[in-house]
Amino acid sequence: AQSVTQLGSHVSVSEGALVLLRCNYSSSVPPYLFWYVQYPNQGLQLLLKYTSAATLVKGINGFEAEFKKSETSFHLTKPSAHMSDAAEYFCAVSEPGGANNLFFGTGTRLTVIP
Amino acid sequence: ETGVTQSPTHLIKTRGQQVTLRCSSQSGHNTVSWYQQALGQGPQFIFQYYREEENGRGNFPPRFSGLQFPNYSSELNVNALELDDSALYLCASSSAGRNNEQFFGPGTRLTVL
Repeated sequence: AQSVTQLGSHVSVSEGALVLLRCNYSSSVPPYLFWYVQYPNQGLQLLLKYTSAATLVKGINGFEAEFKKSETSFHLTKPSAHMSDAAEYFCAVSEPGGANNLFFGTGTRLTVIP
Repeated sequence: ETGVTQSPTHLIKTRGQQVTLRCSSQSGHNTVSWYQQALGQGPQFIFQYYREEENGRGNFPPRFSGLQFPNYSSELNVNALELDDSALYLCASSSAGRNNEQFFGPGTRLTVL
């Protein structure tokens, strides 16, 4: 069974500060992992994905995430927060080779303080 | 390249009614998945269609049903609406064998009164 836990439903950072959003996963096989962003009243936009290649994954808008198998984690980071980063962020997991449905965490709302 | 589109944008129904939501997949994609996102929650997988056949289903009752058409567009039908069905319904399209990457539409906001 697959699942995702996102620690911290709300995270606030100052503009220019480091962004760290946490995601831990559970999967019976080596997973595919994703981070999506959702702006108010919109659908989900893919930020980045891990599909068993390089463990450090770079995405759009300066975000990156590192797959750590020993810690079953896939935390999302950005060195310097921008006001436009304020949104809801979702971590998701799926299993390679099966039905490619995604299992999502409950999300983390990022607030950027000017 | 045309992205995933959904219609309608918003919908208001009353308890017991039936609703049909529509989704057009991104060009070149043959798989459509539907998700329900309740307020303040992450999306929950409803079901997936591949080549017009259901290819996986989440923990949703049979009153949630779907179709996929030869052009890979899809419908989600919900019968006997309940208040708890109020949510954002998201459609995602993908191409089989492409690392499970899914592209989401803007969603349909359903309100059940």
